[in-house]
Amino acid sequence: RKEVEQDPGPFNVPEGATVAFNCTYSNSASQSFFWYRQDCRKEPKLLMSVYSSGNEDGRFTAQLNRASQYISLLIRDSKLSDSATYLCVVILGGGGSNYKLTFGKGTLLTVNP
Amino acid sequence: GAVVSQHPSRVICKSGTSVKIECRSLDFQATTMFWYRQFPKQSLMLMATSNEGSKATYEQGVEKDKFLINHASLTLSTLTVTSAHPEDSSFYICSASDRLGVFGGYTFGSGTRLTVV
Repeated sequence: RKEVEQDPGPFNVPEGATVAFNCTYSNSASQSFFWYRQDCRKEPKLLMSVYSSGNEDGRFTAQLNRASQYISLLIRDSKLSDSATYLCVVILGGGGSNYKLTFGKGTLLTVNP
Repeated sequence: GAVVSQHPSRVICKSGTSVKIECRSLDFQATTMFWYRQFPKQSLMLMATSNEGSKATYEQGVEKDKFLINHASLTLSTLTVTSAHPEDSSFYICSASDRLGVFGGYTFGSGTRLTVV
């Protein structure tokens, strides 16, 4: 089983749609979780952290289920500018300053007019 | 916010030559710099972790003699791809954190697209 696994996608949705991405991780000792966004041929950029209590940032909602080792990202009222690859990122361990991020393969989202 | 400047953004080199990629933290001290590689339609894969003033720690399967990493100062880390071959063509990205002990505070460089011909 891969360390971090995401929906393969791609997702093609119309503007205004609600879309959800899922991610599972294999190591129950994983410490922190994030969603990053990567535009084509660009570097990843942090979208939001994911907390057990769930967190929301505008149209974006992230959820973490530690028991199921599952992370989700919900995007409401999709915009054309939301088109990108969404990466699930897990920190598996580390100590001191050596935090190691493990990335999922990413899910490509295309929002159509 | 924290900025990591990565150069060059794009490089084409001949097989057998070496290429150096630089990452500079512009407004913070990057005690630790991470180097990733991303092949088309694949996830970012960590290649190595470098700490200022010490030898880099390489991930399994990454040749340390081929991918030389130098982190001589708190604001500069370099990755040199030695004797590059076409299979080394990839997108290389560095990242650093400006907040020790705080998860998620990672800033990525803009990446270097290496093409070996």
